[in-house]
Amino acid sequence: AQSVTQLGSHVSVSEGALVLLRCNYSSSVPPYLFWYVQYPNQGLQLLLKYTTGATLVKGINGFEAEFKKSETSFHLTKPSAHMSDAAEYFCAVSVTNAGKSTFGDGTTLTVKP
Amino acid sequence: KAGVTQTPRYLIKTRGQQVTLSCSPISGHRSVSWYQQTPGQGLQFLFEYFSETQRNKGNFPGRFSGRQFSNSRSEMNVSTLELGDSALYLCASSLGHLAGALTDTQYFGPGTRLTVL
Repeated sequence: AQSVTQLGSHVSVSEGALVLLRCNYSSSVPPYLFWYVQYPNQGLQLLLKYTTGATLVKGINGFEAEFKKSETSFHLTKPSAHMSDAAEYFCAVSVTNAGKSTFGDGTTLTVKP
Repeated sequence: KAGVTQTPRYLIKTRGQQVTLSCSPISGHRSVSWYQQTPGQGLQFLFEYFSETQRNKGNFPGRFSGRQFSNSRSEMNVSTLELGDSALYLCASSLGHLAGALTDTQYFGPGTRLTVL
């Protein structure tokens, strides 16, 4: 079985500062990894995903994540935070198809002016 | 292309009642997955349907059931509602082909907020 751990349920950064949201996974087989964002009262929107190949994955809205197999990590970063980035972020893992994903507990990102 | 739609968006029920939630996937998507989201348990996988068959199932009691129709639309049913069933129920659709897992992506609907009183 696979699992995901998101370190830090709340992260606060200043506008323009680096955003770093941490995700570690556990999987017995090569995983597919995802980051989603959820705004209040909305569903989840895919930011980026890792399947195979290049370990640095670029997503929408300036986010990127690096797959590090040796550290079983898939941390999400953005060089410069914007107020509109304030939301809840979820890391997810799948080992079969996208339809069955295991999600982390989520990290709420607050961006201070 | 229209996104995933869920109806109703909000629902209030009382304990013991049953409820049916509906999800219409993106056109061409054959996989529909359901998730329960609560503050205490986070996002938990309920089940996935592909081509009218349940392909995967999470760890939920039998009170939670679903089905998928030939047009890929899906319904989720919860019988004998409990207070703990209050949650945001999210539906997600994807192409669903296992062979295409590398390129497959889930698209989520806005959810149905269920409140059980």
